[in-house]
Amino acid sequence: DTAVSQTPKYLVTQMGNDKSIKCEQNLGHDTMYWYKQDSKKFLKIMFSYNNKELIINETVPNRFSPKSPDKAHLNLHINSLELGDSAVYFCASSQRQGVETQYFGPGTRLLVL
Amino acid sequence: GEDVEQSLFLSVREGDSSVINCTYTDSSSTYLYWYKQEPGAGLQLLTYIFSNMDMKQDQRLTVLLNKKDKHLSLRIADTQTGDSAIYFCAEMNYGQNFVFGPGTRLSVLP
Repeated sequence: DTAVSQTPKYLVTQMGNDKSIKCEQNLGHDTMYWYKQDSKKFLKIMFSYNNKELIINETVPNRFSPKSPDKAHLNLHINSLELGDSAVYFCASSQRQGVETQYFGPGTRLLVL
Repeated sequence: GEDVEQSLFLSVREGDSSVINCTYTDSSSTYLYWYKQEPGAGLQLLTYIFSNMDMKQDQRLTVLLNKKDKHLSLRIADTQTGDSAIYFCAEMNYGQNFVFGPGTRLSVLP
């Protein structure tokens, strides 16, 4: 019955590898998001995705790419992982884009060695 | 640009009231939120307030909004050890940007 789920919960990998994090929401929401939370707990939005419209935070490296096979899923693919990518990545969803309450997944803890 | 600020730490004794403060800069903020993050867990929406309201109460939680001063506070009555967590203030504005504060770490002492 989890509203927003992410897999895996933990991910440990080496520099240079490519990895994906999956996100699914069963709330019937139209918009999904990816956030990065760094070691100081600061949360920054990376992407929002609504009806095939992708809005990218310009500070996000192009090694990060979101992929949405359908409205209920927004996966995050990361190429050529770097040490600085180590963080907790949160997926979220909202009913629609704009001024809407967002519901968060449990987070994926990524550690790059 | 938009900025949301919070004090980083707060310690209270069990049974006391906690007040977590937040200031924001964007005057077009329409919704303001409080999220709770327990250790090792995701973000949980606690409550939110529309910018045309000045107070909202929900059981032990009271949100106060001073729109003139761009100041938001979250009061937790009868604070319990289970309330120990990081509390994030966040704002949403007409630009559809969702901006979080740095989080306030609440420690509840027995």
